[in-house]
Amino acid sequence: EAGVTQSPTHLIKTRGQQVTLRCSPISGHTSVYWYQQALGLGLQFLLWYDEGEERNRGNFPPRFSGRQFPNYSSELNVNALELEDSALYLCASSLVVPFFGQGTRLTVV
Amino acid sequence: GQSLEQPSEVTAVEGAIVQINCTYQTSGFYGLSWYQQHDGGAPTFLSYNALDGLEETGRFSSFLSRSDSYGYLLLQELQMKDSASYFCASGGAGSYQLTFGKGTKLSVIP
Repeated sequence: EAGVTQSPTHLIKTRGQQVTLRCSPISGHTSVYWYQQALGLGLQFLLWYDEGEERNRGNFPPRFSGRQFPNYSSELNVNALELEDSALYLCASSLVVPFFGQGTRLTVV
Repeated sequence: GQSLEQPSEVTAVEGAIVQINCTYQTSGFYGLSWYQQHDGGAPTFLSYNALDGLEETGRFSSFLSRSDSYGYLLLQELQMKDSASYFCASGGAGSYQLTFGKGTKLSVIP
């Protein structure tokens, strides 16, 4: 059974640009969570989608947004990138306890 | 809100046993999970306690006491590959949207 898959694995963007990260959950999982992990820091909750609806969002500005598609895959969009957005972005899916993908490492220069 | 506290670093000898503690304060509690993360990698699920008591999975065990708002992860027969960061995490308000502790960096030395 395939795990959570994320794309791309690495990304370099310039300050002010926009980026879209993608996540495919484990088959049968309807909930998708997005987390940000800045270098050396813990995991900060970004967004939670379930059955196509945004259920909750963490303490992040509105330029962080996303959506979930009918097949339960998800996108995370970040507009007007700032240097401090450089981080590992992790997607997790769950029926019970969340399982994580390998993440997208975003570098903003 | 929720907050979880765990030690920032622990060092232990190969073959030994180490315990990583986690205390939490939550407005609603939905179990305690443990994840392992190697440098540059993704968090890997280790264990989950929904109820009080001990859960054992091979060399790893996890314990929860809801009355004490406390749990721990026990790693036995430590191996060098166990060197990693370990995170406790809790969900609340009936969801598995997890709040993570800041992580404990475990260093296993020969």
